[in-house]
Amino acid sequence: DAGVIQSPRHEVTEMGQEVTLRCKPISGHNSLFWYRQTMMRGLELLIYFNNNVPIDDSGMPEDRFSAKMPNASFSTLKIQPSEPRDSAVYFCASSTQGGYTFGSGTRLTVV
Amino acid sequence: GQQVMQIPQYQHVQEGEDFTTYCNSSTTLSNIQWYKQRPGGHPVFLIQLVKSGEVKKQKRLTFQFGEAKKNSSLHITATQTTDVGTYFCAGPAQGGSEKLVFGKGMKLTVNP
Repeated sequence: DAGVIQSPRHEVTEMGQEVTLRCKPISGHNSLFWYRQTMMRGLELLIYFNNNVPIDDSGMPEDRFSAKMPNASFSTLKIQPSEPRDSAVYFCASSTQGGYTFGSGTRLTVV
Repeated sequence: GQQVMQIPQYQHVQEGEDFTTYCNSSTTLSNIQWYKQRPGGHPVFLIQLVKSGEVKKQKRLTFQFGEAKKNSSLHITATQTTDVGTYFCAGPAQGGSEKLVFGKGMKLTVNP
């Protein structure tokens, strides 16, 4: 099992550009979560899906953020337009019952 | 809203020392989970506690769930440099969803 796979590992982009982060959950896990981690705010849940359906997007900061899960093996988190305050590590995690398995994260820097 | 608080936020110990860190929830939890994140890494699931008063051990780590299911502790015996990292506790959000509410973490550094 390759675990939760995220790409890219690092992304540096200019303010105003569109950024797309990708995640492949563990096969058979029916829930997928997108988290953002910063020193100031810790781990924040942005959105989570169950069986590919968005269940709770109350953590999505604003309309610049959107997430999709077109099938059970793929999800994207898009930021458009990006801003410097979006700089953070973005984690995807999946689970079935019990603990989460996190991906290695995408470190996003917006300059 | 529902909160999970961890104390202390930072802990610096000498290698070989024991220490305990605590996690407190504002609400009763059906279970509590602990994760460890190494510097530059991602959170890794360590354990889940479900029963009131439950105690589980993983080598030198001892996890306990409080009787009221609102708090938990992690005790590390004979701390090693490999224990360095940030330890998070997390509990299910109210409403029975799979969403977890994470504490802000306890960052452990070890002096060799």
